[in-house]
Amino acid sequence: RKEVEQDPGPFNVPEGATVAFNCTYSNSASQSFFWYRQDCRKEPKLLMSVYSSGNEDGRFTAQLNRASQYISLLIRDSKLSDSATYLCVVGASGSARQLTFGSGTQLTVLP
Amino acid sequence: GAVVSQHPSWVICKSGTSVKIECRSLDFQATTMFWYRQFPKQSLMLMATSNEGSKATYEQGVEKDKFLINHASLTLSTLTVTSAHPEDSSFYICSASVYPGANVLTFGAGSRLTVL
Repeated sequence: RKEVEQDPGPFNVPEGATVAFNCTYSNSASQSFFWYRQDCRKEPKLLMSVYSSGNEDGRFTAQLNRASQYISLLIRDSKLSDSATYLCVVGASGSARQLTFGSGTQLTVLP
Repeated sequence: GAVVSQHPSWVICKSGTSVKIECRSLDFQATTMFWYRQFPKQSLMLMATSNEGSKATYEQGVEKDKFLINHASLTLSTLTVTSAHPEDSSFYICSASVYPGANVLTFGAGSRLTVL
C-alpha cells in the first residue's frame, strides 16, 4: 500500500462545477498535511495547508479526517485556470525531509 | 515571496557524460535544500538533503557516488549526475524552506534531463 494515495483522475469538469479530491495516508502518526498544485512540466506550488479544524481559502476548502486518515480538497466554481495536477503531501513530523508526496490528481476544467 | 532559482531548466546529454544542476535561494538563506526526482505520472521522490558546509544525506537506494551534491554556500546547492544513462532521464527539482526546520517548501522550476 502506498503511503499517500490519490485517485489519479483525470477529472474533467465544466467551468463553474464543484469538484472534490480525496487523499488517504497510511501513517497514523502523520502530523502535517498540505495540498500543492503542479502545472504540466512545472514545479509544485503550495496551495494550502490542511488544519485539523478544516480551512478555507476563497473557492478552496480543505478538510482532514484523522480517524479515517484522509484529507480532501473541494474546489467550488471551477475556473479554466484551475486545470492542473493537485498533489497531496503528508508529513510525519515537522521536518521537510519526512514529507511524502502523492502522485497527484489531474484536473481539467473545460470551457 | 521566497524564490528558488534552478538552472538549467532542461538539458540533453549523451550517455556517459556528467550534468550539473544548480539551485539557488534568491532572497533568503538556506542551510538545507532538498533534491527530488519525478518520473512521468509519478510522485516526487526525495533523493537527498543538501546541508550547507557538510555532507549531504541521501535517501535509501540513491547512489551517492552517482548523484554528487555540493552545498558550498547558504544560497547555492548543486546536483551533479555523473556518468548519466538513459534511465537517469527525469525531472529533477530542488526545494528549500524559508524558515529553517519548517516543512513548507518553495520549489525551483525543475530541470528536465534527457540522456540519449
